Amino acid sequence: EMVLTQSPATLSLSPGERATLSCRARQGVNSNLAWYQQKPGQGLRLLIYEASNRATGIPDRFSGSASGTDFTLTISSLEPEDFAVYYCQQYNNWPLTFGGGTKVEIK
Amino acid sequence: HLQLQESGPGLVRPSETLSLTCTVSGGSIITTNHYWGWIRQSPGKGLEWVGSIYHSGSTYYSPSLQRRLTIPVDTSKNQFFLKLTSVTAADTAVYYCARHGRRYGALPREIDSWGQGILVSVSS
Repeated sequence: EMVLTQSPATLSLSPGERATLSCRARQGVNSNLAWYQQKPGQGLRLLIYEASNRATGIPDRFSGSASGTDFTLTISSLEPEDFAVYYCQQYNNWPLTFGGGTKVEIK
Repeated sequence: HLQLQESGPGLVRPSETLSLTCTVSGGSIITTNHYWGWIRQSPGKGLEWVGSIYHSGSTYYSPSLQRRLTIPVDTSKNQFFLKLTSVTAADTAVYYCARHGRRYGALPREIDSWGQGILVSVSS
């Protein structure tokens, strides 16, 4: 099973600041990695797929990048609606696995 | 606009079977390029993939759940289901149904649509 490790667990930032979230895969997953946003009481929303492609309707302040088994989600300038929990997920092979999540909270 | 809606009992007794339905609207469940799956989230915890099904009936299950898990599909009703037997308190979670892509070699892709989720508690 592919283990994904997200860091940090919590990120305390102010609106307008840049957020950098990390996801590390224990083994190679090629570019088969996605990022999702979860807000309390809501379903999840796909942000990024194939490591760096924005999903339909996702603002360009969200970007994804990859370097080997290290993946990064960057929010260039935090909007109030961006404070949420973010998960990475690999789909390189079965079983699908998720990282433990990073909570982006208001400082 | 594709929508997925979970339904089923919110309370299940220990050792019994948890049964949920996902109803798909705004699109057909018979699609070459997609799987239909279940993901769960225990209270205050992260996400765990449970299993997925293709419209033909091919299934993929979490190794930790496969002995207790069945995911059937009813294409005539545009529904798929979750059946988890011998439940314990550890199965208490919000259960999401979702659609994810299918690529070459029957391999998966990202999850592009999610239901709102349904909380299922296992308790006597």
